[in-house]
Amino acid sequence: QKEVEQNSGPLSVPEGAIASLNCTYSDRGSQSFFWYRQYSGKSPELIMSIYSNGDKEDGRFTAQLNKASQYVSLLIRDSQPSDSATYLCAVPNTGFQKLVFGTGTRLLVSP
Amino acid sequence: GAVVSQHPSRVICKSGTSVKIECRSLDFQATTMFWYRQFPKQSLMLMATSNEGSKATYEQGVEKDKFLINHASLTLSTLTVTSAHPEDSSFYICSASGRRAYNEQFFGPGTRLTVL
Repeated sequence: QKEVEQNSGPLSVPEGAIASLNCTYSDRGSQSFFWYRQYSGKSPELIMSIYSNGDKEDGRFTAQLNKASQYVSLLIRDSQPSDSATYLCAVPNTGFQKLVFGTGTRLLVSP
Repeated sequence: GAVVSQHPSRVICKSGTSVKIECRSLDFQATTMFWYRQFPKQSLMLMATSNEGSKATYEQGVEKDKFLINHASLTLSTLTVTSAHPEDSSFYICSASGRRAYNEQFFGPGTRLTVL
């Protein structure tokens, strides 16, 4: 059974700072990794996918993958109060059907 | 692209009635759809996985006779909560995959079910 672990937080950062969210996973064979954002009372929204070692940037978001160390991180630059949400790390299980989710990290960005 | 809709967004029903929730992929063919449930301040819980034209695969502890899932086409899956009771009150969310090589899942907006 794959495991995905995240610090539940809350992670508190001031507006304009960089928020760093981390995730570790247990299955060395994992090939793809996803970050979802979930606002309170809403459904998850896919914000980043990463498949190769290194960094992938999309606007203010950067996903970083290190397969040797089995961790994936999400950096949010210039954090805004509207970024306050729970960020879920997800890894597909064998066969790419189900996603295994971490418990999520709650991010609070204060004005 | 990758839009998933759900209907209804909110439903209130009396105990003992059945409720049907629809999940549609609007701009892609969803070979696989998933149904989740989420209670307040808790994590997403996968209920079942359904592939188009096949019977759904339910997670351990989920009653297949109570939560009926139909995935009749590549764009539509339905979840029917039969004989709903107050403990079934929850946020039900579907997701769909099939659009890309790595099978990202795209979530619908969710359906909030309240059983009185």
